[in-house]
Amino acid sequence: DAGVIQSPRHEVTEMGQEVTLRCKPISGHDYLFWYRQTMMRGLELLIYFNNNVPIDDSGMPEDRFSAKMPNASFSTLKIQPSEPRDSAVYFCASSTSGRADTQYFGPGTRLTVL
Amino acid sequence: GQNIDQPTEMTATEGAIVQINCTYQTSGFNGLFWYQQHAGEAPTFLSYNVLDGLEEKGRFSSFLSRSKGYSYLLLKELQMKDSASYLCAFSNTGKLIFGQGTTLQVKP
Repeated sequence: DAGVIQSPRHEVTEMGQEVTLRCKPISGHDYLFWYRQTMMRGLELLIYFNNNVPIDDSGMPEDRFSAKMPNASFSTLKIQPSEPRDSAVYFCASSTSGRADTQYFGPGTRLTVL
Repeated sequence: GQNIDQPTEMTATEGAIVQINCTYQTSGFNGLFWYQQHAGEAPTFLSYNVLDGLEEKGRFSSFLSRSKGYSYLLLKELQMKDSASYLCAFSNTGKLIFGQGTTLQVKP
């Protein structure tokens, strides 16, 4: 079974540009989570979906961040416009309904905003 | 409010035993998790405690005291490959709230 797939693995962009991060959860998992990890703040939950519906987006830092899940096998996290302080590793994770708390993480996207 | 705290760094010797502590405060609690994260990689699930007591899984054990808001991860027979960051997290209404992580360095 394939794990959680994220793309791209690395992204370098300039301040002001739009950035789109992509995630394919494990087949059959109906919870999807987006996290951000930095040295300063550790691993923070940004938003999570259940059955493609956003449940809690209280961790989304500001309006520049948006996330969508158009179907059960795909989600995007968009930053527009990007800023240097958005530089971080962004992880996507998924889990099954019965064990919503045991999450399987993707490899992450390392974002650098210059 | 919610808070979770663990030491930033620890060092131990190959073959030894190390205990990584975690304290937390939260109004809602559904379980305590430990994840391992090697440098440059994603976190991977290690253990889960929902009831008080010790859960043993090979060389790794995890303990929980809900009344004290306290957990620890015990690693026995340390190996060099155990050098990693160990993340403590509690679950609240389906969300995981992570600590900053403890970076463990295992020395020969």
